Amino acid sequence: QSALTQPASVSGSPGQSITISCTGTSSDVGSYNLVSWYQQHPGKAPKLMIYEVSKRPSGVSNRFSGSKSGNTASLTISGLQAEDEADYYCCSYAGFSTWVFGTGTKVTVL
Amino acid sequence: QVQLQESGPGLVKPSGTLSLTCAVSGGSISSTNWWTWVRQPPGKGLEWIGEIYHSGNTNYNPSLKSRVTISVDKSKNQFSLKLSSVTAADTAVYYCARRPVANWFDPWGQGTLVTVSS
Repeated sequence: QSALTQPASVSGSPGQSITISCTGTSSDVGSYNLVSWYQQHPGKAPKLMIYEVSKRPSGVSNRFSGSKSGNTASLTISGLQAEDEADYYCCSYAGFSTWVFGTGTKVTVL
Repeated sequence: QVQLQESGPGLVKPSGTLSLTCAVSGGSISSTNWWTWVRQPPGKGLEWIGEIYHSGNTNYNPSLKSRVTISVDKSKNQFSLKLSSVTAADTAVYYCARRPVANWFDPWGQGTLVTVSS
């Protein structure tokens, strides 16, 4: 069970859109529509942003959207704001009642 | 709304056993949820440790399975983590979280730092 692969960092200017990729295998991301995304500010607990690939929990801005193609899931943040600067982690069901997180991506707002 | 709070020793000696408890408030631990432990070494990413259902059924990360025990205490509305034979590599912030049967982790506790050192 290996961690899902994310880019170490992604940056963008305020108002721009950025996309974070999350690459797994046919045993996890590719086999199940059970990918979720979490935002983590420094020193804070992770916060659920997207679940089941593309669904947004109540209270999460519609600037956050998710998608999946094959073994790669993606999180897109549109209209980037200063408050979006944080670490982001994807997570996928990995079969056999186990879960695997991504390596994490640091988003910087320039 | 459900809230989770971790507690336990912040320092554990190498080869010892790490023991943490997660208290659940605002809801019953006997509801249709899995109760989960996740850890994060300093400056690193998240790692799923394992989870328990109120029936006592458990699922563990294969890489930690031989050292992990998760248990539930319905009378106290809490669940616990024990990790044996710890080394410095087990130093991390440990989070508890709820996983609804619908497959995401929310909410999370605030996390507690456990350092393995003599």
